Amino acid sequence: GAGVSQTPSNKVTEKGKYVELRCDPISGHTALYWYRQSLGQGPEFLIYFQGTGAADDSGLPNDRFFAVRPEGSVSTLKIQRTERGDSAVYLCASSSRTSNEQFFGPGTRLTVL
Amino acid sequence: GIQVEQSPPDLILQEGANSTLRCNFSDSVNNLQWFHQNPWGQLINLFYIPSGTKQNGRLSATTVATERYSLLYISSSQTTDSGVYFCAVEGSNTGNQFYFGTGTSLTVIP
Repeated sequence: GAGVSQTPSNKVTEKGKYVELRCDPISGHTALYWYRQSLGQGPEFLIYFQGTGAADDSGLPNDRFFAVRPEGSVSTLKIQRTERGDSAVYLCASSSRTSNEQFFGPGTRLTVL
Repeated sequence: GIQVEQSPPDLILQEGANSTLRCNFSDSVNNLQWFHQNPWGQLINLFYIPSGTKQNGRLSATTVATERYSLLYISSSQTTDSGVYFCAVEGSNTGNQFYFGTGTSLTVIP
């Protein structure tokens, strides 16, 4: 597709469950970012990939959060033992090798009951 | 990290009015972007503007990196301009992540 896509668009889960959120970056973009946005706030950085490796994971809140990008394209954000405080919109962005201008996907709204 | 402050936090305009949104940041930056978040939550790129001035239709932006601020101008506002405007900066010494402000919520009334 032409833009960044994210699936699912909405995810409702119960406290303690495991969830996976998927991001498909713009074709050819080498950099991929995950952010989390809570109500009334700006997005907050979670993790950055350059190619397959996580170049900066300093924004992950704790070890329940993990992300992979095995082939340097699609990325999956994984959250174990979800808590109600994890409820937020999870945003993915990508940028090209030549520019750090970020383009965002529509987000996944995660609700933990 | 870098502190990003946006003002005003909320703005209500009559259709056709002009406005200026401000973004101040606490450290030197390599890059700066302005986004419009529409009511469906999609972040739409407005400007990628680490320095200088750019214009796109009714919108223009100016970044003065040495003084650590950027301005977004909206002229002849329309109801479709409503939403939240975010400024995001990439620090010169903080890696590749962008730091976002808390946004300016704009409502344009007919």
